Amino acid sequence: EAGVAQSPRYKIIEKRQSVAFWCNPISGHATLYWYQQILGQGPKLLIQFQNNGVVDDSQLPKDRFSAERLKGVDSTLKIQPAKLEDSAVYLCASSPTGYGQPQHFGDGTRLSIL
Amino acid sequence: AQSVSQHNHHVILSEAASLELGCNYSYGGTVNLFWYVQYPGQHLQLLLKYFSGDPLVKGIKGFEAEFIKSKFSFNLRKPSVQWSDTAEYFCAVSGGATNKLIFGTGTLLAVQP
Repeated sequence: EAGVAQSPRYKIIEKRQSVAFWCNPISGHATLYWYQQILGQGPKLLIQFQNNGVVDDSQLPKDRFSAERLKGVDSTLKIQPAKLEDSAVYLCASSPTGYGQPQHFGDGTRLSIL
Repeated sequence: AQSVSQHNHHVILSEAASLELGCNYSYGGTVNLFWYVQYPGQHLQLLLKYFSGDPLVKGIKGFEAEFIKSKFSFNLRKPSVQWSDTAEYFCAVSGGATNKLIFGTGTLLAVQP
């Protein structure tokens, strides 16, 4: 089974620039998650999709972050404008529908803000 | 507030030593508990999970964890570690309808040959 695909693996931008990350979940997984992992911390959920609808975006900084999953498969996460504190690894995960289903993670995108 | 605490940030062991990593959680209601592992250069992988039933859960690569409800704990154990167990270990909890995972800060384990 192919895993969760993410791109790019690394991105370096200057503050106030914009950036976008892409995620392709495991085939058939209806639920997709974006996490932010700051150095020295555990991953923190930013947004969760069920098919193409948002289930939870309570911790997404909506003034600068946006995410979409238009066709219920691939997803993009955008930051505009970026701040220094956005430097982190952005992880995408997917899971089948159902209570307690384990999440499968991609390799992540490491974002550095200069 | 929902939270997960991992007591050890860095652990250094010699091969064949026994391992126990602490995890405590704060969560109202029924919980599902997980341990994920991240080997160097790889993505997060599920090590084991607890949903219900036998509180002693066995996972991959000889790992096990015990859910102690009265202590809100889910400690990870392995009787004899190997150099290949060098990785970062994350405890996580989920509950409710969304399956949202709340992670601890992680424990970096270094096993010396």
